[in-house]
Amino acid sequence: GQNIDQPTEMTATEGAIVQINCTYQTSGFNGLFWYQQHAGEAPTFLSYNVLDGLEEKGRFSSFLSRSKGYSYLLLKELQMKDSASYLCAVRDRGGYQKVTFGTGTKLQVIP
Amino acid sequence: GAVVSQHPSWVICKSGTSVKIECRSLDFQATTMFWYRQFPKQSLMLMATSNEGSKATYEQGVEKDKFLINHASLTLSTLTVTSAHPEDSSFYICSALERAYEQYFGPGTRLTVT
Repeated sequence: GQNIDQPTEMTATEGAIVQINCTYQTSGFNGLFWYQQHAGEAPTFLSYNVLDGLEEKGRFSSFLSRSKGYSYLLLKELQMKDSASYLCAVRDRGGYQKVTFGTGTKLQVIP
Repeated sequence: GAVVSQHPSWVICKSGTSVKIECRSLDFQATTMFWYRQFPKQSLMLMATSNEGSKATYEQGVEKDKFLINHASLTLSTLTVTSAHPEDSSFYICSALERAYEQYFGPGTRLTVT
């Protein structure tokens, strides 16, 4: 099974940087995803990490440490439209590559 | 990126009736699709994994006789909620697996059972 933990809520200021942490425990790790979800909408893919290190994609970066069971999503130059829930999800090593989601972190960006 | 559609986007049905939700991968073939359910202010909960040509794999606690999944082709999976009850009201989201890891989500179907 899997256990994924994220903070429930965070608040940050427009233009600032925010880091959303995710810790996980899994019996067979095969990748970690970050998704963004606006209220009432389906999640959209942000990043994927399978090896240790930092993956940068524009204003968004994601970091993974497999030995620590830890990841973070870094959002730079925050914009009001970044207010959303951010979901950490871990993929199984099993044949069907099941993806399990954390509870999500609701980020509010304030002026 | 790849596109996944769902139909209908929202549906209201009476208690005791059945509702079918379709999930299609529009520009790629998906041997594996996933069905999730999301209650308000909660995260996505995986219900089942749907594989083309074989029986779906259900998560613990999900009634396979109540939530019927059929993955008839490489581009279509359906979820039928049978004998729906008000507690089945939720946001149902499908996703399709493309290539090694990219999972694309459909826009979701909001089901309300009265």
